[in-house]
Amino acid sequence: RKEVEQDPGPFNVPEGATVAFNCTYSNSASQSFFWYRQDCRKEPKLLMSVYSSGNEDGRFTAQLNRASQYISLLIRDSKLSDSATYLCVALNNAGNMLTFGGGTRLMVKP
Amino acid sequence: DAGVIQSPRHEVTEMGQEVTLRCKPISGHDYLFWYRQTMMRGLELLIYFNNNVPIDDSGMPEDRFSAKMPNASFSTLKIQPSEPRDSAVYFCASSEVKDRVPQETQYFGPGTRLLVL
Repeated sequence: RKEVEQDPGPFNVPEGATVAFNCTYSNSASQSFFWYRQDCRKEPKLLMSVYSSGNEDGRFTAQLNRASQYISLLIRDSKLSDSATYLCVALNNAGNMLTFGGGTRLMVKP
Repeated sequence: DAGVIQSPRHEVTEMGQEVTLRCKPISGHDYLFWYRQTMMRGLELLIYFNNNVPIDDSGMPEDRFSAKMPNASFSTLKIQPSEPRDSAVYFCASSEVKDRVPQETQYFGPGTRLLVL
């Protein structure tokens, strides 16, 4: 079983839709969590951090449930430019190693 | 800042040849990471360095892979001999330390696309 698991998708949604991605992790000692975004044939880039209290950045909301070892990302009013692969990431308890999920592919269509 | 720089951007080689991938981290960053990304296995950490010292190489697939960081601004990942199953995108990433606290954000280079025939 992978340490960080995601539904690979693809999620095909129309512009303006709300879409949610989920992620589970197996290492309960993981310290912090993130969502990275990776465009086709590009490098991953940090999208946002995930906190137990929830974290909102514009149209994006990330949530962490430590009890269920579950992380989510909600995108509201999706844009064509949101089309990408979204990687769920866990930081180990030493604070120096990231473990990436396999990614969830999102395609936003006109 | 130019960001993390990797070279070459693309490499096509034949099985059995030596391949050397290069990385220049962001200036002032203390950590350097090498990752490999494939469709089947996703993004995997191979090895990371702190202040030029290898800290964890448990992700290195086998003895054919080696990595060095001779100074703070340069690292290499070498595959010798290369095999078709080594075909992947290899990313280098770096992160900094502020007030003696490692920062969580890693900045990735554009990657090297390796194809071993």
